[in-house]
Amino acid sequence: DAGITQSPRYKITETGRQVTLMCHQTWSHSYMFWYRQDLGHGLRLIYYSAAADITDKGEVPDGYVVSRSKTENFPLTLESATRSQTSVYFCASSAGQGAHQPQHFGDGTRLSIL
Amino acid sequence: QQPVQSPQAVILREGEDAVINCSSSKALYSVHWYRQKHGEAPVFLMILLKGGEQKGHDKISASFNEKKQQSSLYLTASQLSYSGTYFCGSYRGIDRGSTLGRLYFGRGTQLTVWP
Repeated sequence: DAGITQSPRYKITETGRQVTLMCHQTWSHSYMFWYRQDLGHGLRLIYYSAAADITDKGEVPDGYVVSRSKTENFPLTLESATRSQTSVYFCASSAGQGAHQPQHFGDGTRLSIL
Repeated sequence: QQPVQSPQAVILREGEDAVINCSSSKALYSVHWYRQKHGEAPVFLMILLKGGEQKGHDKISASFNEKKQQSSLYLTASQLSYSGTYFCGSYRGIDRGSTLGRLYFGRGTQLTVWP
């Protein structure tokens, strides 16, 4: 029972580079989410998806791109990384909309941009 | 937009009780509670769906006052394992300009339990 896995766990890159964070879940959950966590801000939603090819912006989407061609995968791409995007990124999934279903989080990716 | 949690931090001795509050300026359909230990992912604790509903998880329980748009998390007889940051998440349907409903998380309450 793998659940939800994120890769890589740690990443160091340079400003201007493109970087992709991967998220894979084995539960066939329809909803998937990307959050970033910074000190003093809690969890802020970047993008989320209700199904393959259905995505919507969260509160901090600028500089990020997502895709969801398959239900189980939800990659997050930083097209041209900036230092302000240094953060811990969490992927989560749920069986349905947030009112009734808990979100299950991956272990996170710690991203440093130099 | 995000719910407001209070207090920001709590320090307890083992066996003491604590209350963490979560309030929203907008009407709520449900409230989620999560706990995150240092260096780990947030873990789901419970969802409250109806006004006044109380749920429990071990010695951790919560209430939801729909009228006041508030939820409270009660930690009874705290154990060392309760240490961590507690987040509430509020769900209030689909926002204008969005196509999907989503949770809004508070900034968290850091709970430290000492032996």
